Amino acid sequence: DSGVTQTPKHLITATGQRVTLRCSPRSGDLSVYWYQQSLDQGLQFLIQYYNGEERAKGNILERFSAQQFPDLHSELNLSSLELGDSALYFCASSVDPGQVNYGYTFGSGTRLTVV
Amino acid sequence: GIQVEQSPPDLILQEGANSTLRCNFSDSVNNLQWFHQNPWGQLINLFYIPSGTKQNGRLSATTVATERYSLLYISSSQTTDSGVYFCAVPNILTGGGNKLTFGTGTQLKVEL
Repeated sequence: DSGVTQTPKHLITATGQRVTLRCSPRSGDLSVYWYQQSLDQGLQFLIQYYNGEERAKGNILERFSAQQFPDLHSELNLSSLELGDSALYFCASSVDPGQVNYGYTFGSGTRLTVV
Repeated sequence: GIQVEQSPPDLILQEGANSTLRCNFSDSVNNLQWFHQNPWGQLINLFYIPSGTKQNGRLSATTVATERYSLLYISSSQTTDSGVYFCAVPNILTGGGNKLTFGTGTQLKVEL
């Protein structure tokens, strides 16, 4: 167990629907990151939150949004789902490697299938 | 941004063989991580290794930051070692954010 908890592990939904993925970071970590891994693709950075605030954006679609709550858990909301959104979605956490050298810890991922 | 390349892209080994995976990065970094993604998709942290050498059982890693590369050694490979191996380095972004930039990965298959 890495200490980063993601739920659900699997999700099957229809095109046009909206889903919410949840992530609880490792205890003591203030930063949360979301990554997407499509079939046969590398891991693409979506967004970073630090202590409740958005800190950096990557290749995140406008149909996707995220937030980090006061208890530091984060949710990734995916709406108007398309077949191409089928992917593994990973959450990672870190203390805050912006200034000091700490590693990133990944959760076990949520496998989203859009049918 | 920083570019991270891995070689070889694919590798097939007989069980018991040894192998070396390489990770090259285009700019200086202050840390580097190696991950194993197993066939079920789980991403497992192997090493956090900004420099020097670390060992964990049959696996070891060496990073030579001044020459911008890292090596992952797998000895006496087992079928459970199969999967994709990624190296990743941090990228400081404008505005104070950061992300991990992942390499292209090495797909390893260990056969009986």
